[in-house]
Amino acid sequence: GQQLNQSPQSMFIQEGEDVSMNCTSSSIFNTWLWYKQDPGEGPVLLIALYKAGELTSNGRLTAQFGITRKDSFLNISASIPSDVGIYFCAGKPSGSARQLTFGSGTQLTVLP
Amino acid sequence: KAGVTQTPRYLIKTRGQQVTLSCSPISGHRSVSWYQQTPGQGLQFLFEYFSETQRNKGNFPGRFSGRQFSNSRSEMNVSTLELGDSALYLCASSLTAGTGGTEAFFGQGTRLTVV
Repeated sequence: GQQLNQSPQSMFIQEGEDVSMNCTSSSIFNTWLWYKQDPGEGPVLLIALYKAGELTSNGRLTAQFGITRKDSFLNISASIPSDVGIYFCAGKPSGSARQLTFGSGTQLTVLP
Repeated sequence: KAGVTQTPRYLIKTRGQQVTLSCSPISGHRSVSWYQQTPGQGLQFLFEYFSETQRNKGNFPGRFSGRQFSNSRSEMNVSTLELGDSALYLCASSLTAGTGGTEAFFGQGTRLTVV
């Protein structure tokens, strides 16, 4: 089955810094989704990407769908304490009915 | 518009028992997927239902089963519980199944603890 590699696994940054994380796939995806999960809660959808090369922003968050359709990155600018959490990428391959595949997550800690 | 609702939020069961978890998707959504989340394994796909039919299944033993009703609500059942089944069980709903460009929205999850 398809593999999703998400990196880094964890990050410790100072408040105000920018953050970047990425996911790479062993196969072509036609959808990339980025989620944030707070402890004990379900993941919340941040950004959805549907086209190779697409760059989408949601406030301080920016995500891009790689042109090879095998990767995506998420940037967070000017981090704040409430950015703390686990960020997951998820991708759906092209073809007939296929489920989302999730990355292993990036644990983000923002230090004051 | 109400989001995805999972009940119960917390559950404690003993080994050998069985458990049923419920998920009500967003109104109008017909696809429901279930995931198991543990600290070491991340989000593991269990199964996906669309229009009362199981469309996809993950790599879990037959003790894990599910179903979907005509109103798109879904239940998952775990029989003969084991300690390793302790996890956060997440349900996600989407408009359609297997279509590119369809976002999945998650419920808050059910935290199952097996003792």
